[in-house]
Amino acid sequence: GENVEQHPSTLSVQEGDSAVIKCTYSDSASNYFPWYKQELGKRPQLIIDIRSNVGEKKDQRIAVTLNKTAKHFSLHITETQPEDSAVYFCAASKGGNNRLAFGKGNQVVVIP
Amino acid sequence: GAVVSQHPSWVICKSGTSVKIECRSLDFQATTMFWYRQFPKQSLMLMATSNEGSKATYEQGVEKDKFLINHASLTLSTLTVTSAHPEDSSFYICSAIAGGGTDTQYFGPGTRLTVL
Repeated sequence: GENVEQHPSTLSVQEGDSAVIKCTYSDSASNYFPWYKQELGKRPQLIIDIRSNVGEKKDQRIAVTLNKTAKHFSLHITETQPEDSAVYFCAASKGGNNRLAFGKGNQVVVIP
Repeated sequence: GAVVSQHPSWVICKSGTSVKIECRSLDFQATTMFWYRQFPKQSLMLMATSNEGSKATYEQGVEKDKFLINHASLTLSTLTVTSAHPEDSSFYICSAIAGGGTDTQYFGPGTRLTVL
């Protein structure tokens, strides 16, 4: 089955700096790659997703890039703010009703 | 749009009792729902995939007789933890997909289960 690896496990950044989280996946058939943000005790919230027919997608301060050849995708957060502090999970699936395979998560701490 | 609710949000029960958790899609019909378990500081672990009108598909290592899943309608799936024990204490989260070719999973707020 699909195996998603996520690095680093913890990331501390100064407010205003950029944060980058990278994930790798193993199944070349995966074609859907969402990123979720989870605050303590709350539900995971979709912040951005990308499909395999696109190399990059941006939504305000958040962007995701996908390299299908290398089988990795990254989340980029620019101009980080304290409210960006949370755990971020990447995931991969074959799309449709197929299950998501999640990475282990990345704790991002934005230092004011 | 795309709101998923769960009930209850938290529950405390005695060892040996059964607990039912409901997952509802409020503004869309969910052809597929998923049940996850999340331990502190860990990732989401998929327990089972639930399709309306059919038996759930359980992940390896998840006991289907202990974690009963029913997806009786396009807006409701239930997870029953039978004969709960302290090691079943966890954060249980459901998610739903609208179907029709869409990929996005929308998550419920989760249910915190504590078994004494």
